[in-house]
Amino acid sequence: DADVTQTPRNRITKTGKRIMLECSQTKGHDRMYWYRQDPGLGLRLIYYSFDVKDINKGEISDGYSVSRQAQAKFSLSLESAIPNQTALYFCATSGRGHGTSGSVTYNEQFFGPGTRLTVL
Amino acid sequence: AQSVTQLGSHVSVSEGALVLLRCNYSSSVPPYLFWYVQYPNQGLQLLLKYTTGATLVKGINGFEAEFKKSETSFHLTNPSAHMSDAAEYFCAVSEDDYKLSFGAGTTVTVRA
Repeated sequence: DADVTQTPRNRITKTGKRIMLECSQTKGHDRMYWYRQDPGLGLRLIYYSFDVKDINKGEISDGYSVSRQAQAKFSLSLESAIPNQTALYFCATSGRGHGTSGSVTYNEQFFGPGTRLTVL
Repeated sequence: AQSVTQLGSHVSVSEGALVLLRCNYSSSVPPYLFWYVQYPNQGLQLLLKYTTGATLVKGINGFEAEFKKSETSFHLTNPSAHMSDAAEYFCAVSEDDYKLSFGAGTTVTVRA
């Protein structure tokens, strides 16, 4: 079974509709992230969460909101979808790891399969 | 703040040939550096990463990358391309152990 799952995998919606994308993980990681991917722009960070009570805006949070319902669940909402929010959305997680010198790191992120969202 | 530049949005190589994907970054502090691969209709998968120590890093599927501080580069190579290497490749940089900044990506096509 996949460690990081996203639902739905594909969604077509209309301008002005509210939509929620969901992410679940079984990796036991504290940190979760939402990114969007646009052709030629790579991935850009929307929101990130260090734990259930710690949620932070990324570089492109306008028009989005998130909810960390539990350690394993992190959902992304578009309150009123617009066409330029058409993109591929990825959830990612990271957990406590160790660098080569034994230091603690969180920098390796594990990605879900993505949700392709089209706003008409 | 960091930025990541991947030279070439599309690279086409023959099967068995060398694959070279270029990545340059700007960072005010020694960064953590990553290469991710995205196969069609899939999420991103970590190929390799540099945190500290040896500057030549080996990853999965025969890929390796070398961190060159003086050139602010982290180029990815594979000496012999396989058809299964056809994918999009992303270079990413982190200064602070959690936020990743990604390059725009390079799509690799492998010709038979």
